[in-house]
Amino acid sequence: QSALTQPASVSGSPGQSITISCTGTSRDIGGNNYVSWYQQHPGKAPKLMIFDVSYRPSGVSSRFSGSKSGNTASLTISGLQAEDEADYFCSSYTSSFTLVFGGGTKLTVL
Amino acid sequence: QVQLVQSGAEMKKPGSSLKVSCTASGGTFSTYAISWVRQAPGQGLEWMGGIIPVFGFETPHYAQKFQGRVTITADEAVSTAYLVLSSLRSEDTAVYYCAKMYYEVSTGYHDAFDIWGQGTMVTVSS
Repeated sequence: QSALTQPASVSGSPGQSITISCTGTSRDIGGNNYVSWYQQHPGKAPKLMIFDVSYRPSGVSSRFSGSKSGNTASLTISGLQAEDEADYFCSSYTSSFTLVFGGGTKLTVL
Repeated sequence: QVQLVQSGAEMKKPGSSLKVSCTASGGTFSTYAISWVRQAPGQGLEWMGGIIPVFGFETPHYAQKFQGRVTITADEAVSTAYLVLSSLRSEDTAVYYCAKMYYEVSTGYHDAFDIWGQGTMVTVSS
């Protein structure tokens, strides 16, 4: 199972919106609605931001939203804030009854 | 408040085996679907294996890459999950995390991880 494909880096200014893509195949993202997104600050454990493509766990800001089209999922962060600067990882359930992560995207808030 | 606390950092020789523990507190361990995820220095997250609830809690599923080299077990009596990785090589140097699958009473289990351990740094070097 190959890792999902994410851009290595994205950037945006405070207050702007950015979108991070996550591309897989019909065996993972395209085959189910079990895509999740994680935020990871340096030296910390990942934090769940989105599950089941577009649902936020309790306590996660509404500035974070998720969507999916075909084999590509997306995470959008609106109203960028300095504390959003972190690495972001997508994940998907697969047809092999396993889970696979993306390579990660470094978000820089300019 | 559910917490997962992992065992401490390890230094291992190539060819040896590793055992990392993950002890849960603050909830009902028997309902936790625990997975293990690792992260090599400066790299992304990699799912190694874990419990997929749709198949029950008895048999973990493993990523194909680790088949035959990894074993995941749990001891309910002490609320602890274990990861054993054998035939270690330098490429296994990483931070190893345990993580609990997200569960909601109304909707059940979701294929996402809401609680993570603090991570265990494993260095494999001769």
